[in-house]
Amino acid sequence: DTAVSQTPKYLVTQMGNDKSIKCEQNLGHDTMYWYKQDSKKFLKIMFSYNNKELIINETVPNRFSPKSPDKAHLNLHINSLELGDSAVYFCASSQDLLAGRYEQYFGPGTRLTVT
Amino acid sequence: QKEVEQNSGPLSVPEGAIASLNCTYSDRGSQSFFWYRQYSGKSPELIMSIYSNGDKEDGRFTAQLNKASQYVSLLIRDSQPSDSATYLCAVNRAGNNRLAFGKGNQVVVIP
Repeated sequence: DTAVSQTPKYLVTQMGNDKSIKCEQNLGHDTMYWYKQDSKKFLKIMFSYNNKELIINETVPNRFSPKSPDKAHLNLHINSLELGDSAVYFCASSQDLLAGRYEQYFGPGTRLTVT
Repeated sequence: QKEVEQNSGPLSVPEGAIASLNCTYSDRGSQSFFWYRQYSGKSPELIMSIYSNGDKEDGRFTAQLNKASQYVSLLIRDSQPSDSATYLCAVNRAGNNRLAFGKGNQVVVIP
């Protein structure tokens, strides 16, 4: 069973388009995240949801809009794609903070290429 | 000052040797420390977590934490070619699920 899954795995699109990436976890975790890993391999948090509530919103262009329909799903919609958005986007999940365990588990990633 | 620093360049070790990776962090309030392994083209995989000072061993991996000096290290004993990957150090504060990652250290194990 896949713990954290993402679709699609690869996404090639043109500048100006709008695209979405989807994430699902079957670990029963309460918190989910979106990370961006750029060409230099630096991994940076973008957003985090806890039980469908946005709790982390880093300095990210408002062209990026996350949505969490339930605690097992977290989607990322990107409007007006730009060349600089090309990166690998990882979804991750972790147990609730109250459980005192903060290990995050990552999905396989979505490689986004904007041409 | 970066939140999490991993300054060493690529580390080449012969098969069977010990690989040693270091990580320093700036926030004294940090409480949770993690090492992730990332193979090229793959996602980060959690290999160690450590929460208190001292050593924690898991198989061929040992994590060492020194909060007073604000560093955490990872030792890989009996290095295998399959250990060739980038190792990411990650840190967060108590009650805060925001992980700060270092830029990673590439390890190459030479058969």
